[in-house]
Amino acid sequence: EVQLVESGGGLVQPGGSLSLSCAASGFTFSSYDLSWVRQAPGKGLEWVSTISGSGGSTFHADSVKGRFTVSRDNSKNTLYLRMSSLRGEDTAVYFCARKDPASNNLDSWGQGTLVTVSS
Amino acid sequence: EIVLTQSPGTLSLSPGEGVTLSCRASQSVSSNYLAWYQQKPGQAPKLLIYAASSRATGIPDRFSGSGSGTDFTLTISRLEPEDFAVYYCQQYGGSSRTFGQGTKVEVK
Repeated sequence: EVQLVESGGGLVQPGGSLSLSCAASGFTFSSYDLSWVRQAPGKGLEWVSTISGSGGSTFHADSVKGRFTVSRDNSKNTLYLRMSSLRGEDTAVYFCARKDPASNNLDSWGQGTLVTVSS
Repeated sequence: EIVLTQSPGTLSLSPGEGVTLSCRASQSVSSNYLAWYQQKPGQAPKLLIYAASSRATGIPDRFSGSGSGTDFTLTISRLEPEDFAVYYCQQYGGSSRTFGQGTKVEVK
């Protein structure tokens, strides 16, 4: 069974930093691109970042470019999101998700971790 | 960036009714890269439809998708109690993806 479990969320002050993790199991981790998608309270879904299976290619939304960095450790089956210069508008539940290589859609998701940016 | 606009924002319906949700793109989207997700409160989104009209694994056949170019629809033929949720369309653009703002299907 595919499992994705996020951790690392919490309360952080504006301008601060936070790192999220997503531990994966149940599939060949290095064979899949992975993404982060966030959802502000009561709002819709926003794609944040994607990393290729090898980790050699990364993509970020314009809203987080230069502030967030996606990475992965294939030896630990873990995806990361390093967030810095955090703003109030970054407050959201952050989901990690696996990309199905056949359809390019997000076929498995974690339960999410809440990041709150507030003083 | 391709903007996806979903309508209506909210639908109030009864179990057993049918419903069609709309998703309009600001520019043409390849049908191969248009998907629909369902999200229930407190849960992660779940892939329903991919490539505009293909059902994901385990999705019942009361869900169907159609459309091309800039206009896509998701149809639920007969609403079951578990279908009341928020539905998002999404397009994949190679290195990024965008979601519509969602349509909430609520119990009347």
